[in-house]
Amino acid sequence: SQQGEEDPQALSIQEGENATMNCSYKTSINNLQWYRQNSGRGLVHLILIRSNEREKHSGRLRVTLDTSKKSSSLLITASRAADTASYFCATDASGSRLTFGEGTQLTVNP
Amino acid sequence: DGGITQSPKYLFRKEGQNVTLSCEQNLNHDAMYWYRQDPGQGLRLIYYSQIVNDFQKGDIAEGYSVSREKKESFPLTVTSAQKNPTAFYLCASSPQGLRNEQFFGPGTRLTVL
Repeated sequence: SQQGEEDPQALSIQEGENATMNCSYKTSINNLQWYRQNSGRGLVHLILIRSNEREKHSGRLRVTLDTSKKSSSLLITASRAADTASYFCATDASGSRLTFGEGTQLTVNP
Repeated sequence: DGGITQSPKYLFRKEGQNVTLSCEQNLNHDAMYWYRQDPGQGLRLIYYSQIVNDFQKGDIAEGYSVSREKKESFPLTVTSAQKNPTAFYLCASSPQGLRNEQFFGPGTRLTVL
């Protein structure tokens, strides 16, 4: 079952702009993770936020988590053409597996 | 180099044939996972293993089989019972514990002719 749902499905912006992607989920979680996938490649882990955390930063990435609304957002600041990729949220509800969303396709135009 | 490898990168098979996809990791991770990804979609869990000689079905296990005889290896067999096997297959591993960040291989693209 797909617990996570990303919004929007696709996002196109200019270099230097900020990109915001949202993820909603259905059940209680231990943590929520964001991954990036370049076309035809494996996924790369970006950031993990635990259920008792509200915000986390890593470089140009900012992730928020609202457990009362069962939602998370990923903000990429000052985007670059190299940020073009698909971004997936994944929820850990059991400690043994992740459930991935459908992803947001981000295109950053030079 | 530490990492997770999958082979082959591209695989073609005729209908009715079984095929085995390789996944190897030297990260000393206990847990390993197989996912299927269809074009423009997210990942769906096929099988996962938290320890050697043990594995569990994921959400779409029908038509697939796995083994976990060694910690480093988690091969996936796509059997002829899988009705629509053409897809991108991703293997991942993770250490046990609360922080189960997953490390992914480069994937195998399987095409049934």
